[in-house]
Amino acid sequence: DIQMTQSPSSLSASVGDRVTITCRAGHPITNYLNWYQQKPGKAPKLLIYAASSLQSGVPSRFSGSGSGTDFTLTISSLQPEDIATYYCQQSYNTPYTFGQGTKLEI
Amino acid sequence: QVQLVQSGAEVKKPGASVKVSCKADAYTFTSSYIHWLRQAPGQGLEWMGIIKPSAGTTSYAQKFQGRVTMTRDTSTSIVYMELNSLRSQDTAVYYCAKEVVVGAMSWFDPWGQGTLVTVSS
Repeated sequence: DIQMTQSPSSLSASVGDRVTITCRAGHPITNYLNWYQQKPGKAPKLLIYAASSLQSGVPSRFSGSGSGTDFTLTISSLQPEDIATYYCQQSYNTPYTFGQGTKLEI
Repeated sequence: QVQLVQSGAEVKKPGASVKVSCKADAYTFTSSYIHWLRQAPGQGLEWMGIIKPSAGTTSYAQKFQGRVTMTRDTSTSIVYMELNSLRSQDTAVYYCAKEVVVGAMSWFDPWGQGTLVTVSS
């Protein structure tokens, strides 16, 4: 199984801050990497697919980058509605695996 | 819009089975794979397996082999996930998710709303 490791596990930031979350794969996965946002009591929602493609309807302040084993999710200017837990997920092979999540607080 | 609607919460005793349904709406049911995932309270996301609705073929995570069965009913556009021999560690929210494929890339979108399964004596 491909292990996915996110850092940090939690993050406190202020409105307007630039926020970066890192995801590292235990095996090279080229760009088979997706990011999801999960708000309390809700299902995860797709933000970024194929490492850097923004899902339709997702605000442009979200961006993704990386390839191989190291990836980042960046929020350029944090908004109050961005409070959530963020997960990376590899789709390189099954079993599909997720990072442990990064809980973002203001 | 495309959506997956899951069945309601369940409470089961240890050793029992649970069957969760996931109804596909607003797209061609047989055109996309459906995955099942779960999330224990306060924990991360765990992939359980996949079903191909057109053929009914399945692939399960090794952890659940022998205990999980995924099926589908093409007449109603519903997929089912049955988990047997339940134990307290199976208490979780269970999600179905539609796979989107573009070229060699894939991702989950959308997800069902989730079904809480509580295993307690």
